[in-house]
Amino acid sequence: GAGVSQSPSNKVTEKGKDVELRCDPISGHTALYWYRQSLGQGLEFLIYFQGNSAPDKSGLPSDRFSAERTGGSVSTLTIQRTQQEDSAVYLCASRGETAPLFGPGTRLTVL
Amino acid sequence: AQSVTQLDSHVSVSEGTPVLLRCNYSSSYSPSLFWYVQHPNKGLQLLLKYTSAATLVKGINGFEAEFKKSETSFHLTKPSAHMSDAAEYFCVVTPKNSGYSTLTFGKGTMLLVSP
Repeated sequence: GAGVSQSPSNKVTEKGKDVELRCDPISGHTALYWYRQSLGQGLEFLIYFQGNSAPDKSGLPSDRFSAERTGGSVSTLTIQRTQQEDSAVYLCASRGETAPLFGPGTRLTVL
Repeated sequence: AQSVTQLDSHVSVSEGTPVLLRCNYSSSYSPSLFWYVQHPNKGLQLLLKYTSAATLVKGINGFEAEFKKSETSFHLTKPSAHMSDAAEYFCVVTPKNSGYSTLTFGKGTMLLVSP
């Protein structure tokens, strides 16, 4: 069956621009995670959605970052006024009854 | 609180020899543990998971891991390495009753396989 998909696969933007990253979870998965992976920083938790509960936003690094999950399915991570330090691979994962399954990621480069 | 220590940042093996990637964890709660693999420019792929059934867990591609509570370890092994195993491996811990809401990742171990 289809796995977690993310779009775009690559995004190059200029400093100060806003970007939106999309995650399509596996159908029926109630939990959704966003992580960030950058050189030297490992995997960094950003946000967690579970069903209709309020999301755990404790990992968002600044108020320039926000995420929403519409209808309990697709999620969008928005970064406003991008900075060079935002350059990283953004990974999304979803979970049903078993372990979280990750998408291929979006590589964000901020020039 | 929970943490994961992957004891080696890099492991080098020859093709056909055994693989051992070490992971120690600490958790205030009874843990679930996972191993993921990441090939270059790819996402993370689940290799195997421990969720309190058998302590010896078999995964994909011939990998297995043993949960040892007394040693707080969850080492990943494979009897015979293939070139295609060259990748980065991540050990992950989460409290079992947390609904997996909090995933704590190790820093990763890069496995290098030489012919």
